[in-house]
Amino acid sequence: DAMVIQNPRYQVTQFGKPVTLSCSQTLNHNVMYWYQQKSSQAPKLLFHYYDKDFNNEADTPDNFQSRRPNTSFCFLDIRSPGLGDAAMYLCATSRAPGGRDTGELFFGEGSRLTVL
Amino acid sequence: AQTVTQSQPEMSVQEAETVTLSCTYDTSESNYYLFWYKQPPSRQMILVIRQEAYKQQNATENRFSVNFQKAAKSFSLKISDSQLGDTAMYFCAFMKGAQKLVFGQGTRLTINP
Repeated sequence: DAMVIQNPRYQVTQFGKPVTLSCSQTLNHNVMYWYQQKSSQAPKLLFHYYDKDFNNEADTPDNFQSRRPNTSFCFLDIRSPGLGDAAMYLCATSRAPGGRDTGELFFGEGSRLTVL
Repeated sequence: AQTVTQSQPEMSVQEAETVTLSCTYDTSESNYYLFWYKQPPSRQMILVIRQEAYKQQNATENRFSVNFQKAAKSFSLKISDSQLGDTAMYFCAFMKGAQKLVFGQGTRLTINP
């Protein structure tokens, strides 16, 4: 059974039209991440939540926002998508660090965003 | 800042062969974690193997093993008896303290029948 679920799997939007991607988890993990992965590149961390604490990466554009209303859900909002924002967006979860499974992230299947 | 480098963009081997994927990293820290993640085509990324830097013994998970050379900052993945299902992008990754993974550029591995 899928443990990290991303919706939609495929999203097409127009230049400048806001988009929201969602992620839900059944693992009750403390940490939720959003990564951006462009074609044939490494996933790039945009931000993560440790419980309710939001941690933004220094080079994440202001165009990207996130919300985590509860433990299970996390959203990625792209306020004004540009052509350069076309990518696969990966959501992942993990337990709090320090345990024997430190570093094990559980990924969703991703949401592929196309910007026209 | 920590960096992770995978020098082999693509590799291809025949089924049942052994293949080694290379990874080097740069850090000034002494305690950290290293990982290999696998991303099959159109499927989610999953953890293959983990190595804790303070452990000298190389990690092994069934057909997957690593060669961890701390002084050389090298962390290679060996896949023995490769199978068609091993076809995927493989990412080397680094984590120190905080919860953030830093990924290498990836190696696209194709296992041919």
